[in-house]
Amino acid sequence: GAVVSQHPSRVICKSGTSVKIECRSLDFQATTMFWYRQFPKKSLMLMATSNEGSKATYEQGVEKDKFLINHASLTLSTLTVTSAHPEDSSFYICSAMSGRAGNEQFFGPGTRLTVL
Amino acid sequence: QKEVEQDPGPLSVPEGAIVSLNCTYSNSAFQYFMWYRQYSRKGPELLMYTYSSGNKEDGRFTAQVDKSSKYISLFIRDSQPSDSATYLCATIAGGTSYGKLTFGQGTILTVHP
Repeated sequence: GAVVSQHPSRVICKSGTSVKIECRSLDFQATTMFWYRQFPKKSLMLMATSNEGSKATYEQGVEKDKFLINHASLTLSTLTVTSAHPEDSSFYICSAMSGRAGNEQFFGPGTRLTVL
Repeated sequence: QKEVEQDPGPLSVPEGAIVSLNCTYSNSAFQYFMWYRQYSRKGPELLMYTYSSGNKEDGRFTAQVDKSSKYISLFIRDSQPSDSATYLCATIAGGTSYGKLTFGQGTILTVHP
């Protein structure tokens, strides 16, 4: 099956630092990847759509200068949380479209970010 | 009104029970329907993917879509404790919304031995 990995799985950082999260499709190429944010016991909130070779498309209310997305290859997208603050603490999940069966999306295991 | 409504539960059933999970949606543009299972502190796992109205079966899981009433369901037969998780319904519209999932709130399911 289609496998998506994320790294790191957990990260703790100090307020003001930047954190990079990687999302990789391991056994398929993904022209489109998505980044979500999830609060405890809440559903996933789409942050942005990442397209290989072009700028990401951000959802309303998501600061593009705060959450930098780079989709440099067909198997890798990165999310950088710049100048992180405690309110940025959350569970960040990426997904990738396989393109093999319509709009199926496969999710990574998530990254838990804690900003002190 | 949210575009996809899902009862958050929690839902608690005994092992072996039949579980029925439901969602309603309001946007007629939604064309694809999915069910995801999410264990605590993990990413969602795709369970079922359907396009047309009707039933789709995969092992103990049956997904049902009724586009006329904008209603989607997931049935779990012979439920097991390992089925305890949050179940998320999701939909995708066609056209310019290509690939953008709209999720329900998720239903927390506990299957107790």
